[in-house]
Amino acid sequence: SAVISQKPSRDICQRGTSLTIQCQVDSQVTMMFWYRQQPGQSLTLIATANQGSEATYESGFVIDKFPISRPNLTFSTLTVSNMSPEDSSIYLCSVVAGGPREQYFGPGTRLTVT
Amino acid sequence: GQNIDQPTEMTATEGAIVQINCTYQTSGFNGLFWYQQHAGEAPTFLSYNVLDGLEEKGRFSSFLSRSKGYSYLLLKELQMKDSASYLCAVRDQGRGSTLGRLYFGRGTQLTVWP
Repeated sequence: SAVISQKPSRDICQRGTSLTIQCQVDSQVTMMFWYRQQPGQSLTLIATANQGSEATYESGFVIDKFPISRPNLTFSTLTVSNMSPEDSSIYLCSVVAGGPREQYFGPGTRLTVT
Repeated sequence: GQNIDQPTEMTATEGAIVQINCTYQTSGFNGLFWYQQHAGEAPTFLSYNVLDGLEEKGRFSSFLSRSKGYSYLLLKELQMKDSASYLCAVRDQGRGSTLGRLYFGRGTQLTVWP
């Protein structure tokens, strides 16, 4: 299994500012993902964080709004830029560890934009 | 694209059996997952099916029919603590040696009554 921690666990931010969310895994993993879960909704994949190359974004998400870094196999960051209230959501880091059936989720970062 | 459909809500009584259905249409298939998510918490892994048939794990079982694009999660001997959201997720076919991405349905909110 993999143990995932995220920082911060929650934050309240003002419109127009940016927040960087950190994801730390206790083991080296090849595949790392960022998801968003809006209130009352299911999880939506934002992007795949690739080590050593640019992230791969899903339709509807762009690098300028959600820049991602993946400097090594245990760490990634997601920045939510120029925030608006519509960005209020839970952001979750997820990793595949050990095999295709083993995908784990971090505890999430609860973001509120006022 | 990905289309994963499951009921929004279900209710059942303690000790009963409940079946949560999931239908999917995806571009490529590399496994179907069920996750449990309690309010305010990260999703936790319940089951994984990649071949047709039934996988049993204690009180929980999951079934897959790839030809029908259909799965169900069966919960037996329901307990109050089983009240949660149940998420059906499908992994698509990755490119080359890359593992596919995991896409989620909207989730089924299960309420267990005493």
